[in-house]
Amino acid sequence: DTEVTQTPKHLVMGMTNKKSLKCEQHMGHRAMYWYKQKAKKPPELMFVYSYEKLSINESVPSRFSPECPNSSLLNLHLHALQPEDSALYLCASSHDRDEQYFGPGTRLTVT
Amino acid sequence: SQQGEEDPQALSIQEGENATMNCSYKTSINNLQWYRQNSGRGLVHLILIRSNEREKHSGRLRVTLDTSKKSSSLLITASRAADTASYFCATDVYQAGTALIFGKGTTLSVSS
Repeated sequence: DTEVTQTPKHLVMGMTNKKSLKCEQHMGHRAMYWYKQKAKKPPELMFVYSYEKLSINESVPSRFSPECPNSSLLNLHLHALQPEDSALYLCASSHDRDEQYFGPGTRLTVT
Repeated sequence: SQQGEEDPQALSIQEGENATMNCSYKTSINNLQWYRQNSGRGLVHLILIRSNEREKHSGRLRVTLDTSKKSSSLLITASRAADTASYFCATDVYQAGTALIFGKGTTLSVSS
């Protein structure tokens, strides 16, 4: 199974809502990532988890809170987001420094 | 932060022609990877070239890496309409942990 799944596919939320994005992989990868991608822009790294520990946080605002409950799951908790946070949120996983496998993304709209 | 710059930003060719995209980066790398993205969906890995390699082939893809010039190129031979997508180079630069920094991308349109 070489698939990374993400739920939901689409999410519309108000600025006062709390929601979570979920990501799952069963490839035994010990590194998992969150990226944010605005329209017509490249993906921007947000967080990296390595062996279930947060190893890289690219100065992301605290309204984004990552969580790695186990080696197969990665969550991104959202709270008090701004309209400019609307974007495609991509999850990926990899084995060490090898290629990354990306999920299809969650398209988030903040109203 | 952004590391890679792709050139050209957009490329339009006919089916059967070759497409060449270039990527330049700023700092030393562990490896350089190329990804394809269709219509704002998830990215698909195409090829990885390590810092001690100079050229790599995969099917219709050929990637070169020149670490002295901090540049890479992706050649797609005999393009097909299905190759229409955005192509990104990404560099693995972190010493602690591993993560990718993506370039701005090249949008390729292949018409039949």
